[in-house]
Amino acid sequence: DIQMTQSPSSLSASVGDRVTITCRASQSISSYLNWYQQKPGKAPKLLIYAASSLQSGVPSRFSGSGSGTDFTLTISSLQPEDFATYYCQQSYTTLGTFGQGTKVEIK
Amino acid sequence: EVQLVQSGAEVKKPGESLKISCQGYGYSFTRYWIGWVRQMPGKGLEWMGIIYPADSATRYSPSFQGQVTISADKSISTAYLQWSSLKASDTAMYYCATQGYCTSTGCPALDSWGQGTLVTVSS
Repeated sequence: DIQMTQSPSSLSASVGDRVTITCRASQSISSYLNWYQQKPGKAPKLLIYAASSLQSGVPSRFSGSGSGTDFTLTISSLQPEDFATYYCQQSYTTLGTFGQGTKVEIK
Repeated sequence: EVQLVQSGAEVKKPGESLKISCQGYGYSFTRYWIGWVRQMPGKGLEWMGIIYPADSATRYSPSFQGQVTISADKSISTAYLQWSSLKASDTAMYYCATQGYCTSTGCPALDSWGQGTLVTVSS
């Protein structure tokens, strides 16, 4: 099984901050890496697919990069509505595993 | 616009059976796979399995193989997740989501999600 490890598990940041979340795969997954945002009590929402492609309707302050085993989600200027938990997911294999999540909290 | 609408919250006792549903709107239901994802209270996301409604081809994660059954009725654009004997540890939120077709090199993301069905199992 491919293991996905996110870091940090949580972070505190202020509105306007640049935030970076990393995701590491236990083996190469090419660019088959997706990022989701989940707010409390809501379903996950796709933000980034194929490592760096922005899902339609997602603000451009979100960006993704990486390939192989190391990936990054960046929020260029954190907004109040961005406080949420973020998950990476590999889709290199069918039923691709999720990372454990990164909770972004208000400082 | 693709929309998935899930059935309502359920409260069940251990040992009871349950079938929850996920109905697709706004697209051809046989075009995409439908996956099921579990989220236990305060925890992360776990893939359970996936079904292709066009031919009911199904894949299960090893952790859920034999524990649940995934099915679909394409005539009413609905996918199902069912248990024959619930346990307290099945208490969780369950989401369905669409996924495009996998190729030999990988799969697309889960791009449309249902609102979730909360299942509570308690004596």
